[in-house]
Amino acid sequence: KQEVTQIPAALSVPEGENLVLNCSFTDSAIYNLQWFRQDPGKGLTSLLLIQSSQREQTSGRLNASLDKSSGRSTLYIAASQPGDSATYLCAVTGANSKLTFGKGITLSVRP
Amino acid sequence: DTGVSQDPRHKITKRGQNVTFRCDPISEHNRLYWYRQTLGQGPEFLTYFQNEAQLEKSRLLSDRFSAERPKGSFSTLEIQRTEQGDSAMYLCASSPVNTGELFFGEGSRLTVL
Repeated sequence: KQEVTQIPAALSVPEGENLVLNCSFTDSAIYNLQWFRQDPGKGLTSLLLIQSSQREQTSGRLNASLDKSSGRSTLYIAASQPGDSATYLCAVTGANSKLTFGKGITLSVRP
Repeated sequence: DTGVSQDPRHKITKRGQNVTFRCDPISEHNRLYWYRQTLGQGPEFLTYFQNEAQLEKSRLLSDRFSAERPKGSFSTLEIQRTEQGDSAMYLCASSPVNTGELFFGEGSRLTVL
């Protein structure tokens, strides 16, 4: 059974700091990995999708990497802003087309 | 708006009542997923459809839960005889087959009193 872990559960940083959010998964037989952002009481917004054959994806200040063999992904956020405050969730898609989520990391960026 | 839409956004009901949620996916997406999320947890898979075929159901879905996607477009999730433990956010997502990227709606929050 696939398990996705995100540690720590919460993170607080000052504005302008570069930061890395970590995600690990137990079964490396994945189809893709997605990072999502969730604001309180809202749905999930897709940030980046990395296919299993890819190593990284970039969008603006965000960069996500994937190391399938070690079961790890990182989301790098450059020059963090208070508007980046949210919960960031990592999810992997297995061969059964089902997405398995971590519990998320709640990020607070202090002005 | 061409995103995934869910209705209603909020539902408060008394224990024992039936509730139904609707999801309209992005029009060209043939896969549709239902997830449930409780406070402080990541979303948990409930079921998914490819076109009108329901391909997998989680064991989380007791016999009180049923989902349909009759014409391969919108989907409904019905919960019969609601219990307080059903209180959660019910999230719908759709994806195209080629990329597998999921796009979520804003969710339907259920509170069972």
